[in-house]
Amino acid sequence: SAVISQKPSRDICQRGTSLTIQCQVDSQVTMMFWYRQQPGQSLTLIATANQGSEATYESGFVIDKFPISRPNLTFSTLTVSNMSPEDSSIYLCSVEDPTGFFYGYTFGSGTRLTVV
Amino acid sequence: AQSVSQHNHHVILSEAASLELGCNYSYGGTVNLFWYVQYPGQHLQLLLKYFSGDPLVKGIKGFEAEFIKSKFSFNLRKPSVQWSDTAEYFCAVIGLEGGKLIFGQGTELSVKP
Repeated sequence: SAVISQKPSRDICQRGTSLTIQCQVDSQVTMMFWYRQQPGQSLTLIATANQGSEATYESGFVIDKFPISRPNLTFSTLTVSNMSPEDSSIYLCSVEDPTGFFYGYTFGSGTRLTVV
Repeated sequence: AQSVSQHNHHVILSEAASLELGCNYSYGGTVNLFWYVQYPGQHLQLLLKYFSGDPLVKGIKGFEAEFIKSKFSFNLRKPSVQWSDTAEYFCAVIGLEGGKLIFGQGTELSVKP
């Protein structure tokens, strides 16, 4: 199955600053997805990133707060801007993975963000 | 709108007990269904999936799930749990007509040795 490398794995940031999370896939994929998992909660889809077009954001998420880049078919970044403690979460990228024994969606190991 | 509901927030079982975790979804069209597991400190892993065909699907580590279309359900089962099954379990659904992979709230399973 596809292998996703996500960086950084964790970070502690000051409020008001921004953090860019990188997601690298070892194969070309059409769509990449960004999720947020708040403490003790399930995963919430932030946006879908297609190569060559603007990301599509879910209700409650806006581009100014979570700008996304998708420069090619194997890479994407999510920026968490002007952070506040409420942004403390695990952020995960995901891809639709048709290559593995289990056709499904593969997830990165996540970025654990703490905003102080 | 597409949604997923998992009935149990936290389940506590003894080893060798049988497990059934409930999952119901809301979507007007055809769906693909998934169960994911997240072991403590680890990332999400796919347990099993249903796309079409036999509604009883078998996954890794002895897990299985049954899709009951009339009940919009996709319950996860295991006949005999082990301490190593302690984890968070997520049901997820994607609608085939341009849907997105949506997750349930998750069920935390604690297995006592």
